[in-house]
Amino acid sequence: QKEVEQNSGPLSVPEGAIASLNCTYSDRGSQSFFWYRQYSGKSPELIMSIYSNGDKEDGRFTAQLNKASQYVSLLIRDSQPSDSATYLCAAGMEYGNKLVFGAGTILRVKS
Amino acid sequence: SAVISQKPSRDICQRGTSLTIQCQVDSQVTMMFWYRQQPGQSLTLIATANQGSEATYESGFVIDKFPISRPNLTFSTLTVSNMSPEDSSIYLCSVKALAGDGDTQYFGPGTRLTVL
Repeated sequence: QKEVEQNSGPLSVPEGAIASLNCTYSDRGSQSFFWYRQYSGKSPELIMSIYSNGDKEDGRFTAQLNKASQYVSLLIRDSQPSDSATYLCAAGMEYGNKLVFGAGTILRVKS
Repeated sequence: SAVISQKPSRDICQRGTSLTIQCQVDSQVTMMFWYRQQPGQSLTLIATANQGSEATYESGFVIDKFPISRPNLTFSTLTVSNMSPEDSSIYLCSVKALAGDGDTQYFGPGTRLTVL
C-alpha cells in the first residue's frame, strides 16, 4: 500500500524559532508533493507544492524535496502562534490524479 | 484558486437515513474528489467524481454506500446512504483545476456529519 508517513507530534517550538516538519513517502513514482495547513474545525489549505529536488521558498516557508531519500520537509521560519495547526503532507500518485495524505503533524508555537 | 462551496455545512442525522452533500465550484475544473476525515484522523479519498461517467472508488468504498454524481464541470454530489454512527465524519470536496496548477487540489469548507 502506498503510504505517506509523518510524525504526529505535537511539535512545540517557541515563537520566533524555526519549525521543521518532516514526511516520507513510499511510492517512488510520486512526482508532486504538497503541504497543507489545517486549523481545528477547518478544511485543509494549501501552503506549498514542490515537484523538483531541492528547496522552494515562499515567504517564511521553505519546502525541501529529496526524491532519492523519498523525503519531504517543511521549514517555517520566525514561527508565530498563528502557525499553530496540523500540517498535512501529501504525495501525488497515479500520475498526479490522486493525493495520499499523511496523518499530519500537530505544531504548537508558544509565545 | 477556485472558490468551492459545500452544502450543508453540518448536519445531525438518524441511523438508517441518507444525506446528500453538494459541492459547487465557481469555475470549470477537470477533476473533483470526495474525501472523508474521521475524528482525529487524516484525509482518506473516497472517490474521484468523473463528469459524465461513474465515479472511481477507492478500496473500501462502494457505490451503494456512497453514490456520487457529477452532472457538469462545476458541480458534484456525494450521498452517504443507510448511515450508521461510524459514518460520523467530515466530508470534504476537492478540485483539481483545468490548467497551470499542476496536481494541486483545493478543498471546500467541508460538511460535518454526526449520525445518532
